[in-house]
Amino acid sequence: DTAVSQTPKYLVTQMGNDKSIKCEQNLGHDTMYWYKQDSKKFLKIMFSYNNKELIINETVPNRFSPKSPDKAHLNLHINSLELGDSAVYFCASKGTGGVLAKNIQYFGAGTRLSVL
Amino acid sequence: QKEVEQDPGPLSVPEGAIVSLNCTYSNSAFQYFMWYRQYSRKGPELLMYTYSSGNKEDGRFTAQVDKSSKYISLFIRDSQPSDSATYLCAMSRVLEYGNKLVFGAGTILRVKS
Repeated sequence: DTAVSQTPKYLVTQMGNDKSIKCEQNLGHDTMYWYKQDSKKFLKIMFSYNNKELIINETVPNRFSPKSPDKAHLNLHINSLELGDSAVYFCASKGTGGVLAKNIQYFGAGTRLSVL
Repeated sequence: QKEVEQDPGPLSVPEGAIVSLNCTYSNSAFQYFMWYRQYSRKGPELLMYTYSSGNKEDGRFTAQVDKSSKYISLFIRDSQPSDSATYLCAMSRVLEYGNKLVFGAGTILRVKS
C-alpha cells in the first residue's frame, strides 16, 4: 500500500484553466503539507494542515487554495493557471508521536504539472 | 541569501568512491537536520536524521552536524550506482506540529560503474 498517494501523476493543461490535485495518506498522520519543486529541484513549502486546520501558509498566490476534508486528505486547487505554475507538486505527511516522528515527513511521488 | 545553501552539482564519482555532500545554513535556530534522497521522478525519502551537533552512522552513510560552523555533511562510503540520485538536506527549528522543513537545493550525484 502506498503511504502517501497523489493523483494525478501528470497534468498537462492550458493557461487560464482551473485544476485540482488530490492527496491521501494512510499513515494515520495528523499533519499534511504541499510543496512545490521547481525545475532546479528546489523544494519549497506552500501549505500545511493539522487536523483539517491550516497552520502554515507561505507566500503563495491566492489562486492556490488548499482544502482538507479530513486529516487523511489534503487537496490543492489552482485557479487561472499560469506558465510559472509548471512544476512538480509534492504532498507530504508527518506524525506526532516521539521526537523522530515529529520531524520526519513522508512524501508522495509528486504531480507533474505542465501549463502550456 | 538563502537560509540553506547546497551546491547543486552534478557530482560524478566512480563506483566505490567516498562521497561527501554538504550544506551550510544561516539560521542558528535550526536544531534538527535531515538528508533526503530523491530518485528521478520520485518523491524525497528520508535517509538520515540528526539532532543538534555530532555524528550519526547508518551502514554506508554517515551524517555530521557542526552547529558552530553551521555546516552539515553526508558521507557515503563504497558508493554504488544505485546511490545515483539527488540528495536534499533539510532542517527545522522546533518540534511543534507546525514545524517547517527548509530544504537545500539538492545535489545531483552520479556514481559510474
